[in-house]
Amino acid sequence: NAGVTQTPKFRILKIGQSMTLQCTQDMNHNYMYWYRQDPGMGLKLIYYSVGAGITDKGEVPNGYNVSRSTTEDFPLRLELAAPSQTSVYFCASSETAAGYTFGSGTRLTVV
Amino acid sequence: EDKVVQSPLSLVVHEGDTVTLNCSYEVTNFRSLLWYKQEKKAPTFLFMLTSSGIEKKSGRLSSILDKKELFSILNITATQTGDSAIYLCAVNNYGQNFVFGPGTRLSVLP
Repeated sequence: NAGVTQTPKFRILKIGQSMTLQCTQDMNHNYMYWYRQDPGMGLKLIYYSVGAGITDKGEVPNGYNVSRSTTEDFPLRLELAAPSQTSVYFCASSETAAGYTFGSGTRLTVV
Repeated sequence: EDKVVQSPLSLVVHEGDTVTLNCSYEVTNFRSLLWYKQEKKAPTFLFMLTSSGIEKKSGRLSSILDKKELFSILNITATQTGDSAIYLCAVNNYGQNFVFGPGTRLSVLP
């Protein structure tokens, strides 16, 4: 039972480059989320999805895009990387309000 | 704007000490409050609290919610070095949306 799998674990990007952070869950959860965690700032919601084909913006969506073509996958796309996007990114899934299952995180540095 | 505040932000104790971590919140629509432990990687779920005054307990950890005063505490007794982590408080305000606090970084020294 893999839970929520995120790749890559680490990445360094140059300003203006693009990349996709992958997230897959095998628990058949309808709800999936992307958060970023900056030091001392807690977790901020970027985008979320309530089911395949449905996505919506969270608190800090600018500079990111998502898609949800299947229940299992919820990739996060950075089109033009900026230093402000240096952060740790967590994908999560849930089925009830009893809490999330988080992926192991992606540490992204934009230089 | 909904917000969650945690205190202290950082805490250093010695093994065997008892610690109390605080979480206060201001949200327009409260559904539940959750505590997570985050070590080197992803946060892991500890407790979910929905009713005031009912203590949740798991081993040396316990938590309680006060919906009138809008806060929760997480207690850890007889701390061990393995308790060193960031403890996150989150409030579910609608649907599956959670507002996270900044976390309390706990360091337990041998």
